Amino acid sequence: EAGVVQSPRYKIIEKKQPVAFWCNPISGHNTLYWYLQNLGQGPELLIRYENEEAVDDSQLPKDRFSAERLKGVDSTLKIQPAELGDSAVYLCASSLGQGASNEQFFGPGTRLTVL
Amino acid sequence: AQSVTQPDIHITVSEGASLELRCNYSYGATPYLFWYVQSPGQGLQLLLKYFSGDTLVQGIKGFEAEFKRSQSSFNLRKPSVHWSDAAEYFCAVGGYGGSQGNLIFGKGTKLSVKP
Repeated sequence: EAGVVQSPRYKIIEKKQPVAFWCNPISGHNTLYWYLQNLGQGPELLIRYENEEAVDDSQLPKDRFSAERLKGVDSTLKIQPAELGDSAVYLCASSLGQGASNEQFFGPGTRLTVL
Repeated sequence: AQSVTQPDIHITVSEGASLELRCNYSYGATPYLFWYVQSPGQGLQLLLKYFSGDTLVQGIKGFEAEFKRSQSSFNLRKPSVHWSDAAEYFCAVGGYGGSQGNLIFGKGTKLSVKP
């Protein structure tokens, strides 16, 4: 069974440029998460989806970040415009359902460098 | 608010020695607790979890953890460390209420293994 797929794995951009990350969750997983992991820190939740609905986006900086999961399967996270402080690893995870008892499976992440 | 503290940023142990990684949590109810491992360039992998019942839980790769409510701790242990255990370890607590299903991570402990 394929795991969570993320692309690209690495991205280097100039500040003020836009960037997008893509995530394909494990088949059948209704819940999808985007996490931000800064260097030397643990992951922090940005947004959680139940199917195509964003049920928790309280930590998403909405002035520059946006996300979508139009068909309730794969998802895209976008930053426009990127700032130097956005350099980090962006992790996607999925689970069968919401609730802490559902194990979250993580993708390898996208490492973003903003110059 | 929930929080997780991992007091040790970096630990070095000799191969074959025992290991204990510390984790303390702040939570208002019975917590869902997790330990994840992250190898360089890899996503997070679940080692073990505690929801209820037996306070000593067994995980993959020979790891175990003990939940101690009186100490608000969930320390990870392994009796004999292998070189392949070198990685970063994250303790996490599951959210509740509106954040149910979200994970709150500690800052991680980096484990180095000496030959």
